[in-house]
Formats: sequence, C-alpha cells, structure tokens
Amino acid sequence: DIVMTQSPDSLPVSLGERASIRCRSNQSLFYDTNKLNYLAWYQQRPGHPLKLLIYWASTRQFGVPDRFIGSGSETEFTLTIANLQPEDVAIYYCQQYLSTSGYTFGQGTRLEIK
Amino acid sequence: QAHLIQSGPEVKSPGASVTISCRPSGDTFTRHYIHWVRQALRQGPEWMGIMNPRTDERTSAQRFRPRVTMLSDTSMKTVYFTLRGLKPEDTAVYYCVEAEGVLYFGEDDDSWGQGTQVTVS
Repeated sequence: DIVMTQSPDSLPVSLGERASIRCRSNQSLFYDTNKLNYLAWYQQRPGHPLKLLIYWASTRQFGVPDRFIGSGSETEFTLTIANLQPEDVAIYYCQQYLSTSGYTFGQGTRLEIK
Repeated sequence: QAHLIQSGPEVKSPGASVTISCRPSGDTFTRHYIHWVRQALRQGPEWMGIMNPRTDERTSAQRFRPRVTMLSDTSMKTVYFTLRGLKPEDTAVYYCVEAEGVLYFGEDDDSWGQGTQVTVS
C-alpha cells in the first residue's frame, strides 16, 4: 500500500489567518503519462461525510471557496486554507488514488480555532 | 445528504461474516459507481472497494480482497457488501457512497448511506 502521512495531527489557527496542512506519500503520485498527481483532499465536519475539496492535487471541486488551495507534486503536497472561517473547523484528509492495490488516506489533521 | 439506505447495525463474533445492503431512497441508482468506505472511531477513512451496480465491474483494496465480496441484485436496486473472517479491528462504521467517479468521491451530487455500525467482539 502507498502510505500517506499528514502533519500536523492538530492545527490551531486564528480566524482570518492561514492554515497549511502537509501530506507526504511514500511513493510518487505523479503519473508521467498524463502529467497528473493522483491526490485528493477532503473535509470532514463533525457528523458529516467526507466532502471532496481538491482533486488532481490542485483542482478545486466546483463550489469550494477559492480560499482552499492545493499544491505540491510527486510525494509532497499541501492544502492551504486562507482567511480561516468558523465553518472551516473540521478534520482534513489527503487521499491517493494512484495505486491499483487500493486508495489510501492520511491519518487526518484536525483544524481548530485558536 | 444520506440518499442511500443501508442495513442496520451488526454485532458479530470474530471469524464470522457480515453482509451490508445499500439501496437508493429513490427508484434507482443515479450515479455510475458505488464506493465502500469504512471509518473506525477516531480513525481516518479506509477505502475498501468499488463496484458498478449495472455491470460485473468491481474491485476491492488488495488487503481486503480475500475477504470481500460485492454484489448487486438483478434489478440493480440493491448492492451488497460482504466481509468475511471478521476481526476486532474490523469494528467500524461502513458506508456506501454513490459517485460518478472511480478515483475519488464526495462531490456535492454524490450520495452517502447513513452508515452501518459493525462491531466485532
């Protein structure tokens, strides 16, 4: 399995400030044939299912505010949330979908208001 | 947002099997694929497999492959997920997710089941 590791586990950020969540894979998620990184970011609010935010590492899902920015390539990725809002309090997960052995998630980063 | 209806909670002994059903609240599935995802308490999600309820197309995560079966009934109005050889670490809430995509899910038009608690003890 491709192992996904996120940091930090918990991230307190003040309202209006920027949050950065890192995700590292133990294998490159870049597929040379189509020049795409097979990585997604999800948000999970308490009591809610996973919500897709970003796919192909940097493509924002329709309707997701442009405060959410995905970046990175190969094995190092970042989700940046600018101008933190109260509704952003959630757990964030990265997911790789490159491996035919199965898709795997990071352990999650809990974003909270400082 | 739960537009899929799953079967109820299950308590099983180690070594037993569990089958979870998932059907649309409407007449039929409207998206192409059903993903199965589980989440243990205070753990991250774990993707278990994907199936197309209209065809024989299905695959499960390699680590679960010997223990997982995914089926749809002939009317394609219910899909079933079976996990065999249950272990205490299989205790989790299991979700079916109806999605357009193969690679990821959780878009606004995707539908989730309400979750089925499986406890192995």
